[in-house]
Amino acid sequence: AQSVSQHNHHVILSEAASLELGCNYSYGGTVNLFWYVQYPGQHLQLLLKYFSGDPLVKGIKGFEAEFIKSKFSFNLRKPSVQWSDTAEYFCAVNNYGGATNKLIFGTGTLLAVQP
Amino acid sequence: DTGVSQDPRHKITKRGQNVTFRCDPISEHNRLYWYRQTLGQGPEFLTYFQNEAQLEKSRLLSDRFSAERPKGSFSTLEIQRTEQGDSAMYLCASSSDRISGNTIYFGEGSWLTVV
Repeated sequence: AQSVSQHNHHVILSEAASLELGCNYSYGGTVNLFWYVQYPGQHLQLLLKYFSGDPLVKGIKGFEAEFIKSKFSFNLRKPSVQWSDTAEYFCAVNNYGGATNKLIFGTGTLLAVQP
Repeated sequence: DTGVSQDPRHKITKRGQNVTFRCDPISEHNRLYWYRQTLGQGPEFLTYFQNEAQLEKSRLLSDRFSAERPKGSFSTLEIQRTEQGDSAMYLCASSSDRISGNTIYFGEGSWLTVV
């Protein structure tokens, strides 16, 4: 069965620090990969996605993620975080061409950015 | 607002009562999903509709749970004889298989507290 692991449950950073959140998945086939963000009191929003092509994908608000197929990883990065990046971040995967397109989520990483 | 709408946003109910949540997907999205999220966990897939057909149900969806999408537009999720373990946020999401990328968009969720 597919699964997604996010190793960092809580991350605390100061503004301007660099961010990297880990995400590993287990699935033998072709996958689509996503990062969603949930700001306090708001709904899940798509941050970025990888379907095919360049393994380095850029999303909104200066975020990027790199798909490394050999490591089954899709880590999220941002060179310089801001206080407004405080949120919970979820990595998700679905199997390419699957019948339902359902997403399997990781447990999330809570990021707190201190001003 | 043309996003996914859910109602009610919050529901407190006594154990043993029935509750029903409604979801209005993004217009013309033919795929609809229900997820459940508890504190400290990522969203867990419950069920999926393609138009009015319920094509997949998770093992998490016990016999007390039923979901419908009678006309392929809005959907309802009913929980009968609620238990304290049902307390969670119930998320609805939608997507379209006619749009490239088939991105899944989430609503703000319906919080259920069973006392």
